[in-house]
Amino acid sequence: DSGVTQTPKHLITATGQRVTLRCSPRSGDLSVYWYQQSLDQGLQFLIQYYNGEERAKGNILERFSAQQFPDLHSELNLSSLELGDSALYFCASSVDNGNYTFGSGTRLTVV
Amino acid sequence: EDQVTQSPEALRLQEGESSSLNCSYTVSGLRGLFWYRQDPGKGPEFLFTLYSAGEEKEKERLKATLTKKESFLHITAPKPEDSATYLCAVQEMAGSYQLTFGKGTKLSVIP
Repeated sequence: DSGVTQTPKHLITATGQRVTLRCSPRSGDLSVYWYQQSLDQGLQFLIQYYNGEERAKGNILERFSAQQFPDLHSELNLSSLELGDSALYFCASSVDNGNYTFGSGTRLTVV
Repeated sequence: EDQVTQSPEALRLQEGESSSLNCSYTVSGLRGLFWYRQDPGKGPEFLFTLYSAGEEKEKERLKATLTKKESFLHITAPKPEDSATYLCAVQEMAGSYQLTFGKGTKLSVIP
């Protein structure tokens, strides 16, 4: 157990739907990062939050959004889902030095 | 734009056969270079951080080195349990602490 908890582990949904992925960071870590991993693209940075505030954005689609709550857990919302959104979504946390601790991921399948 | 290229894409070794994985990078200013190990269906697991050219880090059968343009992950006398995908990532000096990942090298160690 890495200390970073992601739920659910697996998610199957239809095109056009909306889903929410949840992440609880390791105790004491203020930064949360979301990454998407697909077979052809590798790990792609989506967005970072630090202590409740958005700090950096990567290649995140407008259909995707995220937030970090006062208890530091984070949610990634994916809407108007397309087949191409099928991927592994990872959350990672850190004390802001880059030594990320990754969760075990949520495997999203859009059918 | 940051770029990280890993080679080879896949590597098959006999148990005990030493080899090296390569990570070439281009970044305007390097804050750190990171190596992670990823097992199938799991999140990446942190291995090393290197900060400056000439630096080396070791952990069991793994040794990571860094030059101004590339990093090597040397695997000495590998065992089947070393089979995994090894990911390299860079963190830029400017901006937040996000990581830019390469696509990884899938290592298979045959008994």
